[in-house]
Amino acid sequence: QQQVKQSPQSLIVQKGGISIINCAYENTAFDYFPWYQQFPGKGPALLIAIRPDVSEKKEGRFTISFNKSAKQFSLHIMDSQPGDSATYFCAAANTGNQFYFGTGTSLTVIP
Amino acid sequence: DTGVSQDPRHKITKRGQNVTFRCDPISEHNRLYWYRQTLGQGPEFLTYFQNEAQLEKSRLLSDRFSAERPKGSFSTLEIQRTEQGDSAMYLCASSPGTGDGYTFGSGTRLTVV
Repeated sequence: QQQVKQSPQSLIVQKGGISIINCAYENTAFDYFPWYQQFPGKGPALLIAIRPDVSEKKEGRFTISFNKSAKQFSLHIMDSQPGDSATYFCAAANTGNQFYFGTGTSLTVIP
Repeated sequence: DTGVSQDPRHKITKRGQNVTFRCDPISEHNRLYWYRQTLGQGPEFLTYFQNEAQLEKSRLLSDRFSAERPKGSFSTLEIQRTEQGDSAMYLCASSPGTGDGYTFGSGTRLTVV
């Protein structure tokens, strides 16, 4: 049973455009929602994370939007750059316990 | 080096052989996690340690898998009698246990032939 569902599977965006990746979860006990960025041959790297007491968090060009009632959250990458081309994973956790990861989104930013 | 280190980076083994991977976490992190990632999938939880105590194991961790963290420092993951289905990237992560995100290592890619 997939605890976290992620879409789309792949995404192609023009340089300067906005990339949007969506995730949904079922377990209302989850209280920590990170996004990870992974380049080929590397481990995932924490990008940005949010807790359910806020609806939005922004760090530079990266924004998480969180909808607690819908049990959905999304990653927005503004002014997408070719260097952002990577695989992005959302995750959800009950603080201190294991993370449940989505299946990943392969982002390609075209120059 | 302040990151999570994993060794080896790549391992090719014949089916039926035993393999052991090592993970050195960030020194001040008391929690250490092992995940497995197959191509096109997100990481799947295997097990985690708080200091030297193994607190949780996934049902993915069959009895051919064993993990240790002696003295609460580095950890090893051993797979006995490897099968082709064990081929994957094995990721180690550590955290300070305060609710922040993990720091992952670069992983060990295992290929069973």
